[in-house]
Amino acid sequence: DAGVIQSPRHEVTEMGQEVTLRCKPISGHDYLFWYRQTMMRGLELLIYFNNNVPIDDSGMPEDRFSAKMPNASFSTLKIQPSEPRDSAVYFCASSPTGLNTEAFFGQGTRLTVV
Amino acid sequence: QQQVKQSPQSLIVQKGGISIINCAYENTAFDYFPWYQQFPGKGPALLIAIRPDVSEKKEGRFTISFNKSAKQFSLHIMDSQPGDSATYFCAANRGSARQLTFGSGTQLTVLP
Repeated sequence: DAGVIQSPRHEVTEMGQEVTLRCKPISGHDYLFWYRQTMMRGLELLIYFNNNVPIDDSGMPEDRFSAKMPNASFSTLKIQPSEPRDSAVYFCASSPTGLNTEAFFGQGTRLTVV
Repeated sequence: QQQVKQSPQSLIVQKGGISIINCAYENTAFDYFPWYQQFPGKGPALLIAIRPDVSEKKEGRFTISFNKSAKQFSLHIMDSQPGDSATYFCAANRGSARQLTFGSGTQLTVLP
């Protein structure tokens, strides 16, 4: 398996524009997570899905952020409108069912909002 | 509320030395404590993990020491190598929960 695949790897956009980040989890994994990493706040969980259903979105910073998982092999994180403070590295991770199982991270999308 | 506190923020060690990174947690319901390693431009990857029913777990040069009463756990890297230079994150969660709570990270530099 190629692992968790994220696209794009880098995104530069202007403030106010819509940004869509994409993730393909590892086949067979039932859980999908979106994390944000910044120097100030470290790794923060934004939202996670189980079997394509959002379970906990309490980490989503505000209504400008939304995430979907239309099927088991694809998820998106959308920011509309984007702001400079959204600049960060966004990671997608997936894990199989089971207690305390490993989360496998993608390589991340580095987002810069200017 | 920061539930997992990690220190130090950065660490410089000579090749062959011992690297020690410490974490403390608050939530006594946590029962799984992994360490993740992250290289620049990459996502975090699981390095080693421990459950609180044991006080120590060793995998090669990497050892987790766990002190349940003190609510602390640490990562020891023996015979540190330049290739170990990375950012290390401790984390914790409850078995029934899926979301990991991460520490703030330690940037380790091993000098050749």
